[in-house]
Amino acid sequence: QKEVEQNSGPLSVPEGAIASLNCTYSDRGSQSFFWYRQYSGKSPELIMFIYSNGDKEDGRFTAQLNKASQYVSLLIRDSQPSDSATYLCAVIAGTASKLTFGTGTRLQVTL
Amino acid sequence: DGGITQSPKYLFRKEGQNVTLSCEQNLNHDAMYWYRQDPGQGLRLIYYSQIVNDFQKGDIAEGYSVSREKKESFPLTVTSAQKNPTAFYLCASSQQGAASGELFFGEGSRLTVL
Repeated sequence: QKEVEQNSGPLSVPEGAIASLNCTYSDRGSQSFFWYRQYSGKSPELIMFIYSNGDKEDGRFTAQLNKASQYVSLLIRDSQPSDSATYLCAVIAGTASKLTFGTGTRLQVTL
Repeated sequence: DGGITQSPKYLFRKEGQNVTLSCEQNLNHDAMYWYRQDPGQGLRLIYYSQIVNDFQKGDIAEGYSVSREKKESFPLTVTSAQKNPTAFYLCASSQQGAASGELFFGEGSRLTVL
């Protein structure tokens, strides 16, 4: 079982819709969760982090964390073509205290 | 502007050659990292350093070496012992140390072995 799992996609959503990106993790002791956006050929950039159960909103982005079910989600409201990118989920596992990345989900926002 | 500068952006290497990738940051961050990214895969940690003159192996350190003689600089050498070096290499830094997930990345160096 991979430590951090994401569906590779592509996830295709029409412009203006809500994009929902999901990530599951295996270490129940994980404490910190991050979402990075990576445009094709570019380096990742941090867009959200969440440490507590529940929702955290920042503009059009909402991160959702459910530690009991061991998943973290990223919702993008009013999706724009500029949101088309690969979204990497990253987790700091409780035991190792190191950052582990998922393989990413490619999002395509269509006109 | 503060940031992380990686060079070169593209690099071609013949088999058997060592190459060194440069990473310089002016963010005054203590921790620096090297990651490798292959197509369709997540980022894998090669080496990291939390302080000058100290560094630790990551998950895939074999065939690589680093140094941290200055706070600003964390060069990565890809040696001939690395069997499959063609990849996208990313340098990152963080303010909060090795357990931080809030990383700032450079633009990356794409290495191709001919």
